[in-house]
Amino acid sequence: NAGVTQTPKFQVLKTGQSMTLQCAQDMNHNSMYWYRQDPGMGLRLIYYSASEGTTDKGEVPNGYNVSRLNKREFSLRLESAAPSQTSVYFCASRSGQLNTEAFFGQGTRLTVV
Amino acid sequence: GENVEQHPSTLSVQEGDSAVIKCTYSDSASNYFPWYKQELGKRPQLIIDIRSNVGEKKDQRIAVTLNKTAKHFSLHITETQPEDSAVYFCAAEAAGNKLTFGGGTRVLVKP
Repeated sequence: NAGVTQTPKFQVLKTGQSMTLQCAQDMNHNSMYWYRQDPGMGLRLIYYSASEGTTDKGEVPNGYNVSRLNKREFSLRLESAAPSQTSVYFCASRSGQLNTEAFFGQGTRLTVV
Repeated sequence: GENVEQHPSTLSVQEGDSAVIKCTYSDSASNYFPWYKQELGKRPQLIIDIRSNVGEKKDQRIAVTLNKTAKHFSLHITETQPEDSAVYFCAAEAAGNKLTFGGGTRVLVKP
């Protein structure tokens, strides 16, 4: 049982390049999330998808887009990367029922130079 | 939207002492308050949670308390051990499955 899988684990981009972070879960969860974690800071919500077919902005959505491809997959796209987007990105999923645990992927360490 | 504040940002304790981390939230409709532990280089993992109809919950050396009137909740770790050294995050769930985290507390347990 893989849980939540993110790819890639590490990535270096040049300013202005684009890329997509992939996330897949095999727990049949309805809700999926993208967070970023900057050094010494907490987890800030970028976008989330409460259920398949819906997406909503979180605290820091600017510069990002998301796609809930199907129930399993939720991708995060950076159209034109900036150094301020250097961070560790975590994908998470939850069953979608009230008051349930969030399961996190292993994270993607992104550096924009 | 929901805003979660967490204090302190760093906490150093002697092994065997207790550690307390406090969080406040802004959305009175929030009804679920989990705590996550993140070891260095690892993903966050749930250690304990509490729902709004409960005032206190305990699991071995960790306990959480919730004061809905004051909109704050706390994590208590007793008899701290070196393996308790990590970053701890509180979170609150508001409407629509949105889970908002606090800024984290780095706990260092000194042997």
